[in-house]
Amino acid sequence: QQPVQSPQAVILREGEDAVINCSSSKALYSVHWYRQKHGEAPVFLMILLKGGEQKGHDKISASFNEKKQQSSLYLTASQLSYSGTYFCGTEIEWGATNKLIFGTGTLLAVQP
Amino acid sequence: DGGITQSPKYLFRKEGQNVTLSCEQNLNHDAMYWYRQDPGQGLRLIYYSQIVNDFQKGDIAEGYSVSREKKESFPLTVTSAQKNPTAFYLCASSDTGFAFTEAFFGQGTRLTVV
Repeated sequence: QQPVQSPQAVILREGEDAVINCSSSKALYSVHWYRQKHGEAPVFLMILLKGGEQKGHDKISASFNEKKQQSSLYLTASQLSYSGTYFCGTEIEWGATNKLIFGTGTLLAVQP
Repeated sequence: DGGITQSPKYLFRKEGQNVTLSCEQNLNHDAMYWYRQDPGQGLRLIYYSQIVNDFQKGDIAEGYSVSREKKESFPLTVTSAQKNPTAFYLCASSDTGFAFTEAFFGQGTRLTVV
């Protein structure tokens, strides 16, 4: 059930772009993206809903392909503050309600 | 300010002991969750609760127990039946279910077995 994220880790120079992918084997109701700094709580970035509505971050974008059960996070012109571990959270059906299952994470390091 | 408070930040447990991790929120959220984080494994769902006095097992509930007697509180007990409890534990809450609403996380409790 756990979605697969790729790549596992990426190193960038400031100003470079990156794409992080998230793929699920289950039908998805929504996809969340979070960023976690070491030893801190994950922070919400974005949520993508079935039907295309997207809510979230100004400088980071994402896509959600419902049919392929995949999402991608796009980081453009990366800044040092973008460093951290990125998690996708996939909302899947679970009995009478839904649950949020997180991926294994992608470690992003932005260097000067 | 509204938010989620987890305590303690660090916790040490002896073999065979039960320990309880606290999670309190003042966001007036209905739903609360416990996740376990291990290196390279992401966040795995232990338990979650949509309303007071109701909770559901997650993917790795064995060796854990919870209660939800008040809307703002969702404590997690790590029992002696949990054979490998050393991990980083995160509590989260959201307004309703996950659809349409983000999850807010506490700062976490790092549990170590000594």
